[in-house]
Amino acid sequence: EAGVVQSPRYKIIEKKQPVAFWCNPISGHNTLYWYLQNLGQGPELLIRYENEEAVDDSQLPKDRFSAERLKGVDSTLKIQPAELGDSAVYLCASSLATGSPLHFGNGTRLTVT
Amino acid sequence: KQEVTQIPAALSVPEGENLVLNCSFTDSAIYNLQWFRQDPGKGLTSLLLIQSSQREQTSGRLNASLDKSSGRSTLYIAASQPGDSATYLCAGKTQGAQKLVFGQGTRLTINP
Repeated sequence: EAGVVQSPRYKIIEKKQPVAFWCNPISGHNTLYWYLQNLGQGPELLIRYENEEAVDDSQLPKDRFSAERLKGVDSTLKIQPAELGDSAVYLCASSLATGSPLHFGNGTRLTVT
Repeated sequence: KQEVTQIPAALSVPEGENLVLNCSFTDSAIYNLQWFRQDPGKGLTSLLLIQSSQREQTSGRLNASLDKSSGRSTLYIAASQPGDSATYLCAGKTQGAQKLVFGQGTRLTINP
């Protein structure tokens, strides 16, 4: 079984530039999550999807962050414009259902200079 | 609001020792609790998931327990090996919130 796939693995951009991250969840997993992880901290939820519907986006900074999950499979997380404080690892996870174990991708490490 | 705490932040032990990692949570209305392992530069790997109706789960040398009344979970690692070196994170999901809240993790080093 293929795991959660994220790309790119690393991204370096200048502040005020846009950036996008892509996630392909495990096949058949209806629930998809985007987490942000700062160095030395646990992940923090940004948004959770049930199929194509964003059911929890309360922690997503909507002035600069956006996400979509067209057709309820792949998902894209976008930041525009990026700020220095956005430097972190962005993790995508999926689960079969809301109460099932989460499976994480390797993440995208973003550096904003 | 659920808060999850892991102490200590770092732990170093000799190879072969049995050890316990601690996780505490503030909201006892917990739906499930999950333990993860994270290697440097990698994502999280799920180790064990304990449902609220369960008290413990075992996988190989790992045993996780859940005590909702005291707001605590422990991860027991038997006969530790250098390959066990990683950061271990616990995360709790509260009934109704459906959001997994993570602790900060314990960075474990097993010395040969």
